[in-house]
Amino acid sequence: AQSVTQLGSHVSVSEGALVLLRCNYSSSVPPYLFWYVQYPNQGLQLLLKYTSAATLVKGINGFEAEFKKSETSFHLTKPSAHMSDAAEYFCAVTVAGKSTFGDGTTLTVKP
Amino acid sequence: DADVTQTPRNRITKTGKRIMLECSQTKGHDRMYWYRQDPGLGLRLIYYSFDVKDINKGEISDGYSVSRQAQAKFSLSLESAIPNQTALYFCATSDREDSWMTQYFGPGTRLLVL
Repeated sequence: AQSVTQLGSHVSVSEGALVLLRCNYSSSVPPYLFWYVQYPNQGLQLLLKYTSAATLVKGINGFEAEFKKSETSFHLTKPSAHMSDAAEYFCAVTVAGKSTFGDGTTLTVKP
Repeated sequence: DADVTQTPRNRITKTGKRIMLECSQTKGHDRMYWYRQDPGLGLRLIYYSFDVKDINKGEISDGYSVSRQAQAKFSLSLESAIPNQTALYFCATSDREDSWMTQYFGPGTRLLVL
């Protein structure tokens, strides 16, 4: 069975600072990895996904994530935070058509 | 626009009542899912369906049932609601032609069981 661990349920950064949201996964088979974002009072939407074509994946809104097999990690980064990035972020691993989600990380951006 | 819709968006009910949450999609996807979201627990899978005649239990199916009325419709029922079923419920879809099984979520139904 697969699992996902997101380190840090809350992350706070200043506007313009680096954003780093951590995700580690466990899977017995090569996984598909995703980051989803949830804005207040909305459903989740895809931010980016790892498809094995490249270890560095670029997503929407300037986010990117790097797949590191040796570390079983898929951390999400953004060089410069914007106020509009404040949301909850979920890492997910999909195997055999079923997705397992992490507990989520709430990102707060301070002016 | 192709979309995933959920009705109702908000619902308050009493313990012991039977309620149904509905999900419809215009994406033409074969696969549909029901999740519940609780603060600090992420999303947990309740049921999923890979086509109209395929229904599968997820990790927390007890107390829930589902019906896949058509490719585009997937309903979740709480047979006898209890307070710990108070949560935010999401429907999602994915396309079997998408190798990576990206999921597309509805806006959610906020359920309060008194």
